[in-house]
Amino acid sequence: QITLKESGPTLVKPTQTLTLTCTFSGFSLSSSGMGVGWIRQPPGKALEWLALIYWDDDKRYSPSLKSRLTITKDTSKNQVVLTMTNMDPVDTATYYCAHRPPGVNYFDYWGQGTLVTVSS
Amino acid sequence: DIQMTQSPSSVSASVGDRVIITCRASQGINRYLAWYQQKPGKAPERLIYAASSLQSGVPSRFSGSGSGTDFTLTITSLQPEDFATYYCQQANSFPITFGQGTRLEIK
Repeated sequence: QITLKESGPTLVKPTQTLTLTCTFSGFSLSSSGMGVGWIRQPPGKALEWLALIYWDDDKRYSPSLKSRLTITKDTSKNQVVLTMTNMDPVDTATYYCAHRPPGVNYFDYWGQGTLVTVSS
Repeated sequence: DIQMTQSPSSVSASVGDRVIITCRASQGINRYLAWYQQKPGKAPERLIYAASSLQSGVPSRFSGSGSGTDFTLTITSLQPEDFATYYCQQANSFPITFGQGTRLEIK
């Protein structure tokens, strides 16, 4: 059974860097075709894809946020980490990590999400 | 970027009704489309992938169709647990993009 869970701060100040960790089980990110993505959702708004990391360490980012994002993986710990620099109140959102199965960039299992508020 | 436009943005329906939600891509995406259901305070759940393949465990009253730029999600015989927000997502190319969502409300 695949499970994912996000962890990190619930409150960050403007200009700070956000670091979120996705801890997963039920699959290995060293297995061919696997991936983990990050998606966010501002309160009352739609889903927005942020980043995706593959089993072979290939990484893809949303062009609009690419300069602020870094995604990394620690296969031994079954973790994926997303960092976002220069946080702003508009970045207030629920951040989800999700499993990307082999083949195509859909997300079949999602974490519960973590709400991050950006405020001074 | 490929823009995904859903219609309607919201719809009211009754238990037992059939509802059709559409998703239009700004350029062709073959059949690389997924549908998700999201209930308040919960993470999205995948319903459909590859435009028409039903996720394991999803009731058969959900179905998807389409290819290229136009896609539909059909829910037949609505059940109380189906009232939620639905999103489409294209997986044809980066950046991955989602529709703006369709809120399905009880009439």
